[in-house]
Formats: sequence, structure tokens, C-alpha cells
Amino acid sequence: QVHLVQSGAEVRESGASVKISCKASGYTFSDYYMHWIRQAPGQGLEWMGIINPSGGTINYAPKFQGRVTMTRDSATNTVYMALDSLTSEDTAVYFCARGLAAYVPSTYFSYWGQGTLVTVSS
Amino acid sequence: QSVLTQPPSVSGAPGQKVTISCTGNSFNIGAGYDVHWYQQFPGTAPRLLIYGDNNRPVGVPDRLSASKSGTSASLAISGLQAEDEADYHCQSYDRSLNRYVFGGGTRVTVL
Repeated sequence: QVHLVQSGAEVRESGASVKISCKASGYTFSDYYMHWIRQAPGQGLEWMGIINPSGGTINYAPKFQGRVTMTRDSATNTVYMALDSLTSEDTAVYFCARGLAAYVPSTYFSYWGQGTLVTVSS
Repeated sequence: QSVLTQPPSVSGAPGQKVTISCTGNSFNIGAGYDVHWYQQFPGTAPRLLIYGDNNRPVGVPDRLSASKSGTSASLAISGLQAEDEADYHCQSYDRSLNRYVFGGGTRVTVL
């Protein structure tokens, strides 16, 4: 049974950084790409980027380029997402979501973490 | 503002059919990219409902169906039940933005 378990809620001041973890289990970690998606309060979903747990491919949405870093630890089957220079507009629930075995336009998200609320105070 | 446009809300009585639209353009849905649908209850993560335009994962009832035509897609829920009251999101890929895109979500209310 696939599980994605994320780290707990975070509170940061404006200008700070945050790093969220997502631990995968129930499948071969290196076989599927992992994505990060966020949802601001009362808003829709927003794709942030993708990481290949095998190494290599990492791609960020242009909006977050230069401010986001996605990494992985194969020893613990964990991916991380760090976001710098936080503002109040970054207040949102952040989800990790498992994609497909390839980085393709037809990607959909079969499994999701429970979400991590990041609150940024100004 | 979301790249794909969905109505903020739709409603229907139990047993009725409701349809949720998802409108894009020639760079996403109109370019032929797959459309996927998710269901989300308040305070929880989205759940995949439909993938690849009209395929249901195991466990999703067949009273949910989807279609696509031109630059739009739609999700239909037949035999509406109280348990269907949730938010529904469409998702596709946009080749001009080079990223995956979502609709703003539609709240389904069962009257």
C-alpha cells in the first residue's frame, strides 16, 4: 500500500526559509517521479516542480525558479522541498504527489501526501 | 488565476446528474493533452478520480464519467449522493507554460 507521509506544519516569518519532507513507502522509491503541488487558502492547486528520485531530472515551475530546491535521500525514501525568501503569498498547504515512471505531459497524480501547512507571518 | 477555468460551484438534488466544465485553450486541452480529475474534501489531500480523459482508478464508481472536446473537458456525476459533496479539480499540461496546470476547483453541493 502506497503511503506518502509529510512533515508537520510550519510557521515562518517573512524572508525566512522552510524545508518540508515527504517519506514514501509501499513501492520502489526510485521507480516514480515525485511532484510538489501547493494550495493557498481557498484557492486552486498549483504545480511547483518535479524530482526524479533516481537522481538526474529536477524541473521547477518558472514562478519558483531560483527560490525552490527539491532534493531526495534514497537511503530513507524521502524527498524534500525547500522554499526561500518566504512572503505571505507563500502561505499554503504543500503536497507531495507521486507521478508516473517518466516525466511526460500525460502525468497525473495517483497518490498524495497528507499536506503540510506553511504559514508565513509578515 | 488558474490556467484552466472551472465554475466555482454547481449543485443538484440527490439522484440528479451534475456536470463540471473545465475550459482551457490551444496550448493545453486544445493541444490534445490528457485531462485528469481529482476530488477533494475540506482539509484533506486531493484524490484521483479520472485519468487519461476518461479512465477510472479502481474503487471509483462508474457513475462518474468524463469527456473532452476541443479546448474543454467535463466531469459528470450521475445519481448524485450526499457523499459527492466536495471540491473537484481538473488538471492538464500546458506546452507554452511548460508545466502542469489546474483549474480553480468546483464545489459540488447536494441540495
